[in-house]
Amino acid sequence: AQSVTQPDIHITVSEGASLELRCNYSYGATPYLFWYVQSPGQGLQLLLKYFSGDTLVQGIKGFEAEFKRSQSSFNLRKPSVHWSDAAEYFCAVVPTRAGTALIFGKGTTLSVSS
Amino acid sequence: NAGVTQTPKFQVLKTGQSMTLQCAQDMNHNSMYWYRQDPGMGLRLIYYSASEGTTDKGEVPNGYNVSRLNKREFSLRLESAAPSQTSVYFCASTQVSGANVLTFGAGSRLTVL
Repeated sequence: AQSVTQPDIHITVSEGASLELRCNYSYGATPYLFWYVQSPGQGLQLLLKYFSGDTLVQGIKGFEAEFKRSQSSFNLRKPSVHWSDAAEYFCAVVPTRAGTALIFGKGTTLSVSS
Repeated sequence: NAGVTQTPKFQVLKTGQSMTLQCAQDMNHNSMYWYRQDPGMGLRLIYYSASEGTTDKGEVPNGYNVSRLNKREFSLRLESAAPSQTSVYFCASTQVSGANVLTFGAGSRLTVL
């Protein structure tokens, strides 16, 4: 079945350490790819997106993500995590480029330790 | 401020009661969506409306109906609420379905007893 997979349910990272959140998708064609962040009790905010072109995309708050077609992955990275980055992170895809809706992964909760 | 407005923010229902969640956007977006969010399940698409006058089922449409009242408004109705519909509901909109950068509302927390 077509899906978006975030293998890590919960990750804890020390403040100042680097971060990588994994995302894999199983759609035939390259979908549109997104990362959203949700702080506790809040709505969702777009971090970054990939439609085409350069496979390394920069987002807000110092985040970046790399699209790897061969691995069907779109992993999110940040070189140095801040305590304010503690939140839930969602990878999402639009499966085709023909007008379908955004499909979300189940999310990864990030905790930041001091 | 421009954005997506959902009402109500909180609601408690008894099993079998009906209610409508309202969503309105003032960004002149064509496409609107309803998602539900449950712990460990991420956001799942209930229904969407790619443009005014059209609606389509998403991943979990059972027990829900929607109405795209006009370009601004997209409502979600629970005709006979069940405890399994206890969730946080998010409305979202975007200019063009497909090249999606969604703008989300703040969410509506629904509890069905």
